[in-house]
Amino acid sequence: AQSVTQLDSQVPVFEEAPVELRCNYSSSVSVYLFWYVQYPNQGLQLLLKYLSGSTLVKGINGFEAEFNKSQTSFHLRKPSVHISDTAEYFCAVSAHYTQGGSEKLVFGKGTKLTVNP
Amino acid sequence: ETGVTQTPRHLVMGMTNKKSLKCEQHLGHNAMYWYKQSAKKPLELMFVYNFKEQTENNSVPSRFSPECPNSSHLFLHLHTLQPEDSALYLCASSQVYKSEQFFGPGTRLTVL
Repeated sequence: AQSVTQLDSQVPVFEEAPVELRCNYSSSVSVYLFWYVQYPNQGLQLLLKYLSGSTLVKGINGFEAEFNKSQTSFHLRKPSVHISDTAEYFCAVSAHYTQGGSEKLVFGKGTKLTVNP
Repeated sequence: ETGVTQTPRHLVMGMTNKKSLKCEQHLGHNAMYWYKQSAKKPLELMFVYNFKEQTENNSVPSRFSPECPNSSHLFLHLHTLQPEDSALYLCASSQVYKSEQFFGPGTRLTVL
């Protein structure tokens, strides 16, 4: 079974500072990796995903993440954050196919990013 | 309507009530999911439907009863709930064999 650990439950930063949200996963099989963002009173929106190929993945809103297989990590980064980036961020892992073919996503507990002026 | 919609957005119910949550996806997907999001707990997968057939029930109590009449609609029927069932219930959809899931805005459920 897969599992995801998000090491920081809360990350406060100042506007225009860089940020890194950490994610480590555990799996005995090949995985796909995702970062989702949840703004207040909304559902989850996909930020970026790693399926294969380049280990550096670029997503929406200036975010990027790097897949590191040896360290089983998929950390999310942004070089300069805005107030509007304040949200909860979820890392998720899925195994390649489950019964019926749909992917079973396993989510981390989330990291609340607060960007202060 | 676009994407994944959920109604109602907020629901307050007593422990003896019966209510239903509705999810509709306008993306042409063929897999649908129910998740429970509680405070300070990871997102929990409840049910998975592929091509209208239930393929996963993640040990969910029988007071939660899902229904998937077609690939675009998913319901969650609720009866005799407990206060600990209060949470945000999220619906998602995807293409079968595709990893990316699209989420609705959720229904905030409060059980009194």
